[in-house]
Amino acid sequence: EAGVAQSPRYKIIEKRQSVAFWCNPISGHATLYWYQQILGQGPKLLIQFQNNGVVDDSQLPKDRFSAERLKGVDSTLKIQPAKLEDSAVYLCASSSGTSTYNEQFFGPGTRLTVL
Amino acid sequence: AQSVTQLDSQVPVFEEAPVELRCNYSSSVSVYLFWYVQYPNQGLQLLLKYLSGSTLVKGINGFEAEFNKSQTSFHLRKPSVHISDTAEYFCAGSTGGGNKLTFGTGTQLKVEL
Repeated sequence: EAGVAQSPRYKIIEKRQSVAFWCNPISGHATLYWYQQILGQGPKLLIQFQNNGVVDDSQLPKDRFSAERLKGVDSTLKIQPAKLEDSAVYLCASSSGTSTYNEQFFGPGTRLTVL
Repeated sequence: AQSVTQLDSQVPVFEEAPVELRCNYSSSVSVYLFWYVQYPNQGLQLLLKYLSGSTLVKGINGFEAEFNKSQTSFHLRKPSVHISDTAEYFCAGSTGGGNKLTFGTGTQLKVEL
């Protein structure tokens, strides 16, 4: 079974530029998550989707971050414009449901460096 | 609100020695606890989880953890570590029956020869 795929793996941009990350979850997983992992910290949930609807985006900085999950499968996370403090690894995860018994499976992440 | 605290940012240990990585939680409601491992340039992988039942939980790669309600702890242990266990370990928790995770800051385990 294929795991969670993410691209690109690495991205370097200048501040104030835009960037987009892509995630393809495990086939059949209805729930998709985006996390931000800043160096030296644990992952922080940015947004959670159930199919193509948003379940929780309370920690998403909506003035610059946006995410969508059209058709309830793939998802993109966008930052516009980027700031220095956005430098982090962006992790995508998926699960078959939203209960505690539904394990989250993580992709390898996209490492973003903002100069 | 729930929080998860990992007291040690780095733990060096010699190969074949035992190791304990500490995790404490604070929550006023039922809590579910997890340990994840992250190898360099990879995503997180679930090691083990406590949802209910026996307080001693066994996971993959010879790791185990014990849920201690009175001490609000969920420490991770392995009796004999291997070089390949070198990685970052994250403790995480969720509450209320959902799987929204709150992560600790991580502990870097470095196994030396």
